[in-house]
Amino acid sequence: VMTQSPLSLPVTLGQPASISCRSSQSLVHSDGNTYLSWFQQRPGQPPRRLIYRVSRRDSGVPDRFSGSGSGTDFTLKISRVEAEDVGVYYCMQGTRWPGAFGPGTRVDIK
Amino acid sequence: EVKLVESGGGSVQPGGSLRLSCAASGFIFSSDAMTWVRQAPGKGLEWVSIIDTTGVGTFYADSVKGRFTISRDNSKNTLYLQMNSLRADDTALYYCVKGNNCDDWGQGTLVTVSS
Repeated sequence: VMTQSPLSLPVTLGQPASISCRSSQSLVHSDGNTYLSWFQQRPGQPPRRLIYRVSRRDSGVPDRFSGSGSGTDFTLKISRVEAEDVGVYYCMQGTRWPGAFGPGTRVDIK
Repeated sequence: EVKLVESGGGSVQPGGSLRLSCAASGFIFSSDAMTWVRQAPGKGLEWVSIIDTTGVGTFYADSVKGRFTISRDNSKNTLYLQMNSLRADDTALYYCVKGNNCDDWGQGTLVTVSS
C-alpha cells in the first residue's frame, strides 16, 4: 500500500514544495534497485513520469524537480514552484507486482 | 519518439465484454514489458495489469483478476486487454503504458459500463 501526504498542497509561486510517499513494505528489489517513480498529471492530460528509481530525472524534466528517499519513505521536492507545475502528483512502486500508485497529491497555486 | 495509441473503448452494458488495443511505435516493442493503467472519472490512477516481453508472464490487480486478460503480438507491435464480465466500477480511462515503471503513456481510451 502506497500513501502520500499531503493530499492537497496549495503553494506560492516561487516557493518550494515537498510531497511525501510511504510504502507499507520496503521497495528495495532483489536486484538492489528501488523502483519508486513520480508522475505529474496536468489537468486534461495523461500522466508524465518525472522521476524513476527514486532520484533519476526523466529527459526534459526541469531540474527544480528532485526525488529522494530509501526503503519505505520517499520525497518529491520542487525547489521553486512555477504555474505550469499545477496538477496532481503520484508516486508508484514497480518493485513488485502488482504495481501500486499512491492516492495523489493535488498541487495548486495559493 | 515513443507513440502509444489506444483504441477499442466504448459503452457497454454490465456483464458485457470489450477488447482494447494499443498500437506501439518509436521503440523496440518486443524489448519492453507493457502495462495497463486506468483512471476512473475524477479519481486517481489504478494499476491494472502487466505483461512481460515474451507474453508468457502476466500479472493482474485483484480487482480485475479472472475477468481481464492481457496479451501482446510482438509481430504487430500491439498490446491488448480483453475485458469480460464488465462492471460499473470498471468505468475508466484506460491507458497503455510502456515498461515496468511506466516510462511513456498513451492518451487513453474511455470505457463506460452502464445499463
